[in-house]
Amino acid sequence: DADVTQTPRNRITKTGKRIMLECSQTKGHDRMYWYRQDPGLGLRLIYYSFDVKDINKGEISDGYSVSRQAQAKFSLSLESAIPNQTALYFCATSDPGGDQETQYFGPGTRLLVL
Amino acid sequence: SQQGEEDPQALSIQEGENATMNCSYKTSINNLQWYRQNSGRGLVHLILIRSNEREKHSGRLRVTLDTSKKSSSLLITASRAADTASYFCATSPSGTYKYIFGTGTRLKVLA
Repeated sequence: DADVTQTPRNRITKTGKRIMLECSQTKGHDRMYWYRQDPGLGLRLIYYSFDVKDINKGEISDGYSVSRQAQAKFSLSLESAIPNQTALYFCATSDPGGDQETQYFGPGTRLLVL
Repeated sequence: SQQGEEDPQALSIQEGENATMNCSYKTSINNLQWYRQNSGRGLVHLILIRSNEREKHSGRLRVTLDTSKKSSSLLITASRAADTASYFCATSPSGTYKYIFGTGTRLKVLA
């Protein structure tokens, strides 16, 4: 089974709708991240969490919110989706005390906002 | 703004040739990592080099880091068709615990 899973894998929604992307991990890592990827722009950090009680904004947090329900779960919400939030979204985890701060990525969620 | 900028944006080579891609960044860093992404999939970690290291090897991969020029290079030797992917550098700016990814190099290895 995959260590970092994301649901759904694909989602089509309409402008103004609220949607939630979920991420679960079995790696036991404290740190979790949400990124979005747009063509030609690489990955940009939306939010990150170093433990259940620690949530931090990344470089592009406007229009997004997150919830760290447990060590293993980190959800990303789009409160009112807009077309320029169409992108590929990745969740990642890392363990600062483990193997040299490597990030482990989920398979991604492809989101289309109409 | 993007911390890392990869160069070239795209690279096409023949199988067996070496592939070199470069990454430039803007601020001082704790470490720099290279990741690989197969089309539309999650990124996979390849190698990490710390700010006090200048060169590191892992199998067919060789990474160099020049902190004075704020740049790094990734060399893939004896490339294979299976190396076709996008490659990203990611930097951890000093004093932070987050990562900033570059824009990526799309590598195509022709059989």
